[in-house]
Amino acid sequence: KQEVTQIPAALSVPEGENLVLNCSFTDSAIYNLQWFRQDPGKGLTSLLLIQSSQREQTSGRLNASLDKSSGRSTLYIAASQPGDSATYLCAVLAGFQKLVFGTGTRLLVSP
Amino acid sequence: EPEVTQTPSHQVTQMGQEVILRCVPISNHLYFYWYRQILGQKVEFLVSFYNNEISEKSEIFDDQFSVERPDGSNFTLKIRSTKLEDSAMYFCASNKEKETQYFGPGTRLLVL
Repeated sequence: KQEVTQIPAALSVPEGENLVLNCSFTDSAIYNLQWFRQDPGKGLTSLLLIQSSQREQTSGRLNASLDKSSGRSTLYIAASQPGDSATYLCAVLAGFQKLVFGTGTRLLVSP
Repeated sequence: EPEVTQTPSHQVTQMGQEVILRCVPISNHLYFYWYRQILGQKVEFLVSFYNNEISEKSEIFDDQFSVERPDGSNFTLKIRSTKLEDSAMYFCASNKEKETQYFGPGTRLLVL
């Protein structure tokens, strides 16, 4: 059974810092991996999707990497801003259509 | 930019009552999903739907749950007899095959 873990559970940084969020999964047989952002009481906003054949994807200040064989992904956020404060969720596409989510990393960027 | 929409945003119901949660997926998407998130817990997969039938479901999705695409635009989740433990945020999502799943804003369901 696929399990997804994210560390740290919470992270507090001053504005301007570069930071790394970690995601690990137990079964390397995945089709893709998605990173989402969730604001309190809100829906999930897709940030990046990495196909299983890819090593990384970039969007603006975000860079996500994937090491499928070791079951790990990282989300790198450059030059963090207070508006980046949210919970970041990692999810793997296990099986044909089902996303399996991690518990998330709650990020607080202070001005 | 097209979005997944969900109604209502909040629903309060009494235990044992039926509820229907509604979603309008993105128009050219073919795969539709329901997920739920109990407060403070992980987002959990409930069911996927393609070509007018369920393609995969989790162990959570028991006989009390059903899904339907009643017309060309809506996708619904029905809970026949709600329990206290059904209280959660329910998210609808849609996509094209194995591409990014786009999520709606959710319906917060509270069962009293």
